[in-house]
Amino acid sequence: LAKTTQPISMDSYEGQEVNITCSHNNIATNDYITWYQQFPSQGPRFIIQGYKTKVTNEVASLFIPADRKSSTLSLPRVSLSDTAVYYCLVVLYSSASKIIFGSGTRLSIRP
Amino acid sequence: EAGVTQFPSHSVIEKGQTVTLRCDPISGHDNLYWYRRVMGKEIKFLLHFVKESKQDESGMPNNRFLAERTGGTYSTLKVQPAELEDSGVYFCASSHPGGASKNIQYFGAGTRLSVL
Repeated sequence: LAKTTQPISMDSYEGQEVNITCSHNNIATNDYITWYQQFPSQGPRFIIQGYKTKVTNEVASLFIPADRKSSTLSLPRVSLSDTAVYYCLVVLYSSASKIIFGSGTRLSIRP
Repeated sequence: EAGVTQFPSHSVIEKGQTVTLRCDPISGHDNLYWYRRVMGKEIKFLLHFVKESKQDESGMPNNRFLAERTGGTYSTLKVQPAELEDSGVYFCASSHPGGASKNIQYFGAGTRLSVL
């Protein structure tokens, strides 16, 4: 499983766009980039997954360059409720194998 | 659709006692996982069931931990006897049996275990 590297923490303000970049230099051909979000006292929650270019859903966008060695999670117009830990993971597509969590990025949103 | 539920949400026991944690996965999810986070550390994988079979138990710390999933529905994780270092939050997750979304795991809120 490819190792990922992401910032330990980030701060932003309500209404701003937040971009969290993750590097995954050893990503394999069949790997997908996946992001989970975890609020205090809750389990991690899947937010978005992608393979290349751009993926958008109702929560976030995921930008993946052609070489796939990094990716950027974009949260538009954040609110206080977006304060959480965000985990960048590389997972084998259509595999039910275990998740290896890193330390994640602790995002703090201020008024 | 009901999510993954875990019981109890919090358990406080004394060292040497036994505790059993329960996880009810999302209906129809054959894959069930246990993870835990001890104080200040990252979330670590414990084991993975496919239906009632243990697919991967490489993360189980020692033989004081016993996980079961009789009938392939809910699962229990028993710690006997509990030690101080077992304190932490135990998460359960489940995922679809097949197809593209097999690698998306749905987590419960966790059971916070405190061993005194």
